Amino acid sequence: AQSVAQPEDQVNVAEGNPLTVKCTYSVSGNPYLFWYVQYPNRGLQFLLKYITGDNLVKGSYGFEAEFNKSQTSFHLKKPSALVSDSALYFCAVRDRHSGNTPLVFGKGTRLSVIA
Amino acid sequence: EPEVTQTPSHQVTQMGQEVILRCVPISNHLYFYWYRQILGQKVEFLVSFYNNEISEKSEIFDDQFSVERPDGSNFTLKIRSTKLEDSAMYFCATLRDFSSYEQYFGPGTRLTVT
Repeated sequence: AQSVAQPEDQVNVAEGNPLTVKCTYSVSGNPYLFWYVQYPNRGLQFLLKYITGDNLVKGSYGFEAEFNKSQTSFHLKKPSALVSDSALYFCAVRDRHSGNTPLVFGKGTRLSVIA
Repeated sequence: EPEVTQTPSHQVTQMGQEVILRCVPISNHLYFYWYRQILGQKVEFLVSFYNNEISEKSEIFDDQFSVERPDGSNFTLKIRSTKLEDSAMYFCATLRDFSSYEQYFGPGTRLTVT
């Protein structure tokens, strides 16, 4: 069975500092990995994905994520945080070999960027 | 940019009542999903739908739930007899085709069962 772990419920970072939101996963095959962001009273917005190729993937709003197969991790990063980045971040996984298999989400990490 | 839309944004209903949540998928997308998020918890898969039939469903999706696409545009989730524990945010999501990757989510419907 697929699963995603986001070990931190909350991450606090000062504006301008780098941020990292952690994610580890477990799948039976090779994974499709995703990050979504949820702003208050809004739906989930797609940020970025890893499918294959370069382990460092770049996404929306200056975010990037690094796929590490040996550590089964897909941490979300940004070099310089903005107050507007404050939101709830979800990591998700899908088994590559299962076509339109639904996403399995982590429990989410609340990012708070302090001015 | 095309978006998934959902109505209503908030639905309040009494326990035992039927509710229908509506989603308008992105027009050229073929796969549709319902997820839910109980307050403070993670997003959970309910059901996926393709070619007018259910592709996959979770343990949550019991006989109280049903989905359909009655007019070829709206994709609906019906809960026949709501329970207090059905209170959650319900998200519709779509996938363009089998070779696509990211699902596009609607803004959600907040269902409150009293």
